[in-house]
Formats: sequence, C-alpha cells, structure tokens
Amino acid sequence: EAGVTQFPSHSVIEKGQTVTLRCDPISGHDNLYWYRRVMGKEIKFLLHFVKESKQDESGMPNNRFLAERTGGTYSTLKVQPAELEDSGVYFCATSGLAGGADTQYFGPGTRLTVL
Amino acid sequence: QQQVKQSPQSLIVQKGGIPIINCAYENTAFDYFPWYQQFPGKGPALLIAIRPDVSEKKEGRFTISFNKSAKQFSLHIMDSQPGDSATYFCAASKMGGGKLIFGQGTELSVKP
Repeated sequence: EAGVTQFPSHSVIEKGQTVTLRCDPISGHDNLYWYRRVMGKEIKFLLHFVKESKQDESGMPNNRFLAERTGGTYSTLKVQPAELEDSGVYFCATSGLAGGADTQYFGPGTRLTVL
Repeated sequence: QQQVKQSPQSLIVQKGGIPIINCAYENTAFDYFPWYQQFPGKGPALLIAIRPDVSEKKEGRFTISFNKSAKQFSLHIMDSQPGDSATYFCAASKMGGGKLIFGQGTELSVKP
C-alpha cells in the first residue's frame, strides 16, 4: 500500500510569489495534518482536517496560508504571497479514525526555499 | 502550555553504546507520547509510543521510560548501531487523533 505522498519534493521561489503544496493521504485515512519544520527547530503543527472539514487550524501562522481538502481526499497548502520566513520543510501526515487515529504517518516533506 | 522540551540537541556514541534522549512536557492533558525517527530526505516515522498508565515500554532495542509525576519521558537505544544514526523527535498529544506537539529533535550519530 502506498504511503503518504507529497509534491513537489523541493520548491524554490522568490519572495512575493505563490506556491502550492500537495499531499495525497494513505487511502482511507480521514485525518490529515500539516506540519512545518523551520531551520532545525521543532516540527510545528499547522492544521488538521477530518475528511474535508478543518478540525483545528490553530497553528496556521497568518492569512497568507490557505489549506484545502476538497472531497476529503488530497489536500493542498497554498502560500500567497510567500515571505522569507516561510522557508522550511512542510510535512503532511495522515491517520485513520477510531483506534488508529493516534498513529500519524508522515510523508517525505516538501522543502520550500523563499529567496 | 503546549511545549515539549527535548535534550540533548545532538549526541555521538560508539557502536554498542546506549544513547539516552530526554523529553519533558508541561500539559498534564497529554496522554500519548510517541517517538519518531527521521532519516535524511525522509519523513518522520513512528518508532515507539507510550501511554501514561505504564512506566516503561520496550520494543526490540528501543525502550521508553515514563515518569508521570515528573512529566518526563526518555528514549533508550540498547546496543546502538550505525544504522540508528538519525534525528529523533519526541512528541505528545491527546489520544484520539489530536495534533502532535514535538520536541526540538536530537541528531544521533553512532560511530562504527
């Protein structure tokens, strides 16, 4: 069974440009999370979807970040306009419901560099 | 408080040594404590996890020790191998699929 996939693996953009990151979950996983790790610091939570609904978006840094999960399948995270401090590795993680909800499976991440 | 503090930031041991990584949390509502292992270019992968109703959990060469009163937990790697060289993250959350609050990570290097 395929794991969590993320696209692109790397993205280099200029300050002020727009970037869209994509996450494809493990089939059947209703919980989807976005996290970010900046410059060797801790991995920080951004937001949590249950199916297509935003369960918790308390970690979103500001309104330049927009996350969507249409149809409860894949998710996108758009940064518009990008700033220098948005550079980092963005991880997507997914988990099942009920008894399997605790184990989060992470994708390989998207390394975003804003110049 | 949502913070999880992890130490040390980096650790070098010889093959066969027993590296120990420590974490402390503040929020007593946390009831699920996983450790993740991350290799370069890969995403974090669940290594082992513990719930606060037990003080120790062992899986293979990996052991979590948990001290509920001190709000601390640690990872021990027995008979460490060069293949264990990776970044290790502790985390905490509320059971049932809540967000993970991560420590800062520990870069472990096991020398042959």
